[in-house]
Amino acid sequence: GENVEQHPSTLSVQEGDSAVIKCTYSDSASNYFPWYKQELGKRPQLIIDIRSNVGEKKDQRIAVTLNKTAKHFSLHITETQPEDSAVYFCAAPRGGFQKLVFGTGTRLLVSP
Amino acid sequence: DSGVTQTPKHLITATGQRVTLRCSPRSGDLSVYWYQQSLDQGLQFLIQYYNGEERAKGNILERFSAQQFPDLHSELNLSSLELGDSALYFCASTQTGEMNTEAFFGQGTRLTVV
Repeated sequence: GENVEQHPSTLSVQEGDSAVIKCTYSDSASNYFPWYKQELGKRPQLIIDIRSNVGEKKDQRIAVTLNKTAKHFSLHITETQPEDSAVYFCAAPRGGFQKLVFGTGTRLLVSP
Repeated sequence: DSGVTQTPKHLITATGQRVTLRCSPRSGDLSVYWYQQSLDQGLQFLIQYYNGEERAKGNILERFSAQQFPDLHSELNLSSLELGDSALYFCASTQTGEMNTEAFFGQGTRLTVV
């Protein structure tokens, strides 16, 4: 199928806690996995991406891990801050990388 | 600012009407993608154009059509509008015809059908 499954749909954490969002994809040919952050009423913006030749990538408080065998990839946010509150979308290419199929989104709420 | 420009930002129209949404990609980007985002929903892929040619199609209704012009701007035409078409419509652009690098999204056009 074309779905990218994303869990959880909502996630509430206290400031300073870690947050983990998981996605599962179906196309074994996919080799590029981006994560987009969308603040309320704004456009989606890329925050991190990973290619299939690596298993993990970090950028300050954000990291993404990839398990190609299981077709899972996850977003990890450490030391969460209220400004991390947003909807996060994972995505994977489909159809020869001519389109990006997005997950259903995770609404992250970080409470002070 | 992503460099992708969408107009108008807001559009209110009645059922049965037709509207045109416009997107100008980033300078140098050849590919334009259209996505629909309904309230509290994810991003649904509609259609992709690359250098003027349709490249990929998603769950786009027959009442919807799009095109990309020689100057690479794109228009999404929505006709016989229904209440359920109310949504945020985003376009995104990439340099190549493949979404294996960062896609830059415009600010979106919020369409309200009344």
